[in-house]
Formats: sequence, C-alpha cells, structure tokens
Amino acid sequence: ETGVTQSPTHLIKTRGQQVTLRCSSQSGHNTVSWYQQALGQGPQFIFQYYREEENGRGNFPPRFSGLQFPNYSSELNVNALELDDSALYLCASSDARDRTYNEQFFGPGTRLTVL
Amino acid sequence: DAKTTQPTSMDCAEGRAANLPCNHSTISGNEYVYWYRQIHSQGPQYIIHGLKNNETNEMASLIITEDRKSSTLILPHATLRDTAVYYCIVITQGGSEKLVFGKGMKLTVNP
Repeated sequence: ETGVTQSPTHLIKTRGQQVTLRCSSQSGHNTVSWYQQALGQGPQFIFQYYREEENGRGNFPPRFSGLQFPNYSSELNVNALELDDSALYLCASSDARDRTYNEQFFGPGTRLTVL
Repeated sequence: DAKTTQPTSMDCAEGRAANLPCNHSTISGNEYVYWYRQIHSQGPQYIIHGLKNNETNEMASLIITEDRKSSTLILPHATLRDTAVYYCIVITQGGSEKLVFGKGMKLTVNP
C-alpha cells in the first residue's frame, strides 16, 4: 500500500508568480483535502475534492484553486503569490465511502517560500 | 475556530506515562473526539478517536469524561519518538469531514 506523496518537497517563488503543488493519494482513497500550515500554527483547511469535484472550501480566496484527476491524484494551484502564502502545504487522502470513521492520511507536505 | 482547548506544552520523562488533556465543553452529541500528532517536519498522523467510551489501540488510550466535556490522551510509556505537537479535534463522523486544527500541544519527552 503506497502512502500519500507530495511534490515538490520545497519550492521558492517570488511575489506575483503562480505555483502548482501535486499530491498522490493513498491507494483506494477517493477524497483529497488540502491544508495550509503557517509556521507555529495548526493546519488550516483550504478545500477538499471528492470524485473530481470540489466538496467544501475553507476561508481562502479564489486564487487558491485545485483539481482532482480520475486516478484521485490532485493539484493545488495558487495564483498571484503573496508573502503570506509562505507555508507548509499538506495534502490528506481518505475514503469517503467509509463513514465509520474519519482517519485522514497526510503527506509530508510541500514547503513553499515566497520572496 | 477550533472547538477544543489544550495546554501549550508539556514535558514528560522517557518511559513514563504521558497524559495529554483536552477541553471540549461545547461538544455536541454526534461529535467525536479525534487525536492527531505531528512530528517535526512531517504531516499529521492519526492516533485514536472516540465518542463516549474509553478507547485503546496500539498507540494510545483515550479517556473521555462522562459529560464528554473533556478527554485525556494517554501514551502509556512515552519514548523520545513521541515528541511532537498533539492535536485534539472534535468532528462529526462523516467519512472525510474537514479537520479544524487548533495550535495543539507540544509534548517533549526527555531522556
């Protein structure tokens, strides 16, 4: 069973640029959630994708967007990068068909630095 | 906003039990208590969850008070590898509900 993987591990961008982060979900999982974690804070929910459709969104502006592909992998896109976007971006996968519990499996994250 | 409050930090001696408290006084009847932890430079990891009964698995035990307004995560024999930030989260059982993290509690296990 393959765990959740994310790429790249680290990324440095400048203000105004655009970035795409990628996530491969755990085998058999159909739901991907993205979180942003600023330094010293807990992760904050960005949005969730289920069967290629957005299935809930946190308090993030529209320049944060995403995609989920038929193989359940996912992308997070951020346009017009701002300095405050510097954070660890975490992807978590889960199986929405299992309604007995809510374990989400997290990847190691992508560390984004905006200069 | 997170529905839970935890101490900012706690120390524990290696080999001793670590008891991590969490207050969730506004918990609803259909909400569960979940615990995750995040070891430095890694993604959060699920530990355990419960509704109203005490629960135990290979990682930890979860004790929930009878009124369900607080709980305690117990690591029976803490090791250095248990040093991490621990998050107590209250959510409804929904399969893939979004997790609302607070700042968590930093547990440091000392040799």
